[in-house]
Amino acid sequence: DIQLTQSPSTLSASIGDRVTITCRASQSISSWVAWYQQKAGKAPKLLIYRASSLETGVPSRFSGSGSGTEFTLTISSLQPDDFATYYCQEFSTTSRTFGPGTKVEIK
Amino acid sequence: ELQLVESGGGLVQPGGSLRLSCVASEFTLSSYWMSWVRQAPGKGLEWVANIKQDGSEKYYVDSVKGRFTISRDNAKNSLYLQMNTLRAEDTAVYYCARDSHMIQGERGFDCWGQGTLVTVSS
Repeated sequence: DIQLTQSPSTLSASIGDRVTITCRASQSISSWVAWYQQKAGKAPKLLIYRASSLETGVPSRFSGSGSGTEFTLTISSLQPDDFATYYCQEFSTTSRTFGPGTKVEIK
Repeated sequence: ELQLVESGGGLVQPGGSLRLSCVASEFTLSSYWMSWVRQAPGKGLEWVANIKQDGSEKYYVDSVKGRFTISRDNAKNSLYLQMNTLRAEDTAVYYCARDSHMIQGERGFDCWGQGTLVTVSS
């Protein structure tokens, strides 16, 4: 089974900061990665699919990159609405493993 | 508006059973793989199971194999999760989510239900 790790687990940042979250896979998963944002008590929201494709309606300050075993989610200028937990997910197999999550907190 | 609505959660004793339902609106369920995802209190997301458009393929996370069964009724635009031999560690909010499209392929889980809480406790 493919395992996903995320770093950091928690990130403290200020409004306007550039933020990068990394997701690493235990084996190559090509570009089969999605990224989600989740706020407390809410369902996750899809941000990025196929590593770098922006979901419709998601602000352009969010971007994704990577292939193989290392992927990144970048928020170019952190906004108040972006404080949340972020998860990566792999789609390379019939299972849909999630990473452990990265919590973005206010500094 | 695209919508998934789950129901069937509640309090159940260890060893008991529960059946979750998920009804889709404004899209045709039969065009998509569908998944169940759960989130234990204060924990991360865990993919639980998914099912192909016609129900011919089903996959599960190891921790629920042999206890949970995913199914669907495309005529009713509905997805189900039968949960048997429940354990305390199955306590979580359970979400249904729209998975891959039959033609467009994997584009992430782009539609989620609001979640239904399952509590396993005596």
